[in-house]
Amino acid sequence: SQTIHQWPATLVQPVGSPLSLECTVEGTSNPNLYWYRQAAGRGLQLLFYSVGIGQISSEVPQNLSASRPQDRQFILSSKKLLLSDSGFYLCAWGGQLYEQYFGPGTRLTVT
Amino acid sequence: DAKTTQPPSMDCAEGRAANLPCNHSTISGNEYVYWYRQIHSQGPQYIIHGLKNNETNEMASLIITEDRKSSTLILPHATLRDTAVYYCIVRVAGMIKAAGNKLTFGGGTRVLVKP
Repeated sequence: SQTIHQWPATLVQPVGSPLSLECTVEGTSNPNLYWYRQAAGRGLQLLFYSVGIGQISSEVPQNLSASRPQDRQFILSSKKLLLSDSGFYLCAWGGQLYEQYFGPGTRLTVT
Repeated sequence: DAKTTQPPSMDCAEGRAANLPCNHSTISGNEYVYWYRQIHSQGPQYIIHGLKNNETNEMASLIITEDRKSSTLILPHATLRDTAVYYCIVRVAGMIKAAGNKLTFGGGTRVLVKP
């Protein structure tokens, strides 16, 4: 069966520091991969998606970037965090008919 | 993608059926209805999807009206662990991988199951 991992589970970082969040998927090949963010009390916002290695599409302009160095690895990065980057970051992979399966998430607090 | 409308919140009693409505009056013939839920501090969980026939799985039942302009997600015996935000999403059918198969999550319905 398919499994999706994210780490770290929680992270507290100062403003201006770099960020790297990692997501890996097991049990499937060539999945679509997604990064979402959920600010406190708000809805889910799609940040990036990837249909294959090295292929990244950005949904909203922001302080973040994404990379997919391997088929089942998706990385979210920032060179300098802003206070507004705080939130709950979720990685997901896409199934056959638009169902998506989400990881446990990383709760990021920028101080 | 067709727009969906859901009530912002609803309560239901533990052990009773929870009926969650969703309106999608502009749905087109090739669009599926998907339901997800998000329990507090967790990622969204896929529940069920359907095109025009009613669907049932181990989690819930999906009833789609004959004109497909609305649907109802039914949790047959709600438990306290079903307290969550429930999202109804309408999306074109088919696997167009290169297009990203993106889903757009709206506000959902905040369901509180009470003992």
